[in-house]
Amino acid sequence: GQQVMQIPQYQHVQEGEDFTTYCNSSTTLSNIQWYKQRPGGHPVFLIQLVKSGEVKKQKRLTFQFGEAKKNSSLHITATQTTDVGTYFCVAYGGATNKLIFGTGTLLAVQP
Amino acid sequence: DGGITQSPKYLFRKEGQNVTLSCEQNLNHDAMYWYRQDPGQGLRLIYYSQIVNDFQKGDIAEGYSVSREKKESFPLTVTSAQKNPTAFYLCASSIRDRESEAFFGQGTRLTVV
Repeated sequence: GQQVMQIPQYQHVQEGEDFTTYCNSSTTLSNIQWYKQRPGGHPVFLIQLVKSGEVKKQKRLTFQFGEAKKNSSLHITATQTTDVGTYFCVAYGGATNKLIFGTGTLLAVQP
Repeated sequence: DGGITQSPKYLFRKEGQNVTLSCEQNLNHDAMYWYRQDPGQGLRLIYYSQIVNDFQKGDIAEGYSVSREKKESFPLTVTSAQKNPTAFYLCASSIRDRESEAFFGQGTRLTVV
């Protein structure tokens, strides 16, 4: 079945450093969503990308959708301790509309 | 306030007992989902439903059962057949549309002793 892989699995940075997580799908995607889950919390929607090559920004966060619509990335500039959490990319799977979560990247930020 | 509610937040059960986790939403969403999350792991899909009285198995449905008798409710039963039920369970809902975001409940942490 469809798989969505993320790398790295874990990243530890010093506050102020940049961070990037990459998402790769085994199939072409109609769109990609990104969620953030704080420790002990539930996933919260960040953004959705639909168009090939699309780039969206939210303050220090930059999201990109690949030209082939099979990969995506999230880049955080100058991380802060509030950025701590697990970042998931999410895709809709096939004709069934089920939500498929990527494996996630846990970000730790040291003050 | 509109939202999705899971209850209880923490649940303890003895091994061999069935337990039902509640998930209610007042967002008028057609689609609802149940995920399981183990420590340090991602979310794995248990069951999902796109419409009332219909649901499909996800990737790890064995040992679980669901019902969707009402649009706003999607309870999950963890049966005694589930070999390792201790986990964090998350319920989500969305408009039945590929371009809609999913809203999650606060989750239920189930511990089986």
